[in-house]
Amino acid sequence: QVQLVESGGGLVKPGGSLRLSCAASGFSISDYYMTWIRQAPGKGLEWISCISRSATDKYYADSVKGRFTISRDSAKNSLYLQMNGLRVEDTAVYYCARDQEYSSTWYGSWGQGTLVTVSS
Amino acid sequence: EIVMTQSPATLSMSPGERVTLSCRASQSISSNLAWYQQKPGQAPRLLIYGASTRATGIPPRFSGSGSGTEFTLTISSLQSEDFAVYYCQQYNNGYTFGQGTKLEIK
Repeated sequence: QVQLVESGGGLVKPGGSLRLSCAASGFSISDYYMTWIRQAPGKGLEWISCISRSATDKYYADSVKGRFTISRDSAKNSLYLQMNGLRVEDTAVYYCARDQEYSSTWYGSWGQGTLVTVSS
Repeated sequence: EIVMTQSPATLSMSPGERVTLSCRASQSISSNLAWYQQKPGQAPRLLIYGASTRATGIPPRFSGSGSGTEFTLTISSLQSEDFAVYYCQQYNNGYTFGQGTKLEIK
């Protein structure tokens, strides 16, 4: 069955960097758009970034554009989020989610999330 | 950016009752709307997409309706496991979520 497992979260100082990973199983990430969504503590959901199945198209929320980079490794069947220039307001649980095959729409499968805490 | 507004913020209901949650878009999104359920400490779970299509494995007591700017999620008879936070999400132009409606036990 479809499974997504995030890792790489932790405590980082403002201005620091982290790389999140999302290991997929039960399907090939090359066959789907993939998305990162975050949720600040006690808050709602925020779409962050998505990548097309060909990996040629990448999209970012204005709040992270220029600081975060989405990528994937088909051989490892994994999705990544490189986060640079982290800010206190980036503190959140970060989820990876499987999108649709030919477009980015709704998210049928989610990982359990990984917590990123940005604090001095 | 399309703003999604959910109402009410909190709803206190009893098991067995029928409940309707509302979601309004700041501009027309056609039927490009999804609903999710989230329980404490868990990832969101897809309930509805295309405004009215139930996702795989979702019980028929959940139903969605609406188009344009006004949408509703109805739970016909609340079960104990339905008490959670519900989010709507538009994917017509970008991707934005509502702020959520918390469904709590009365």
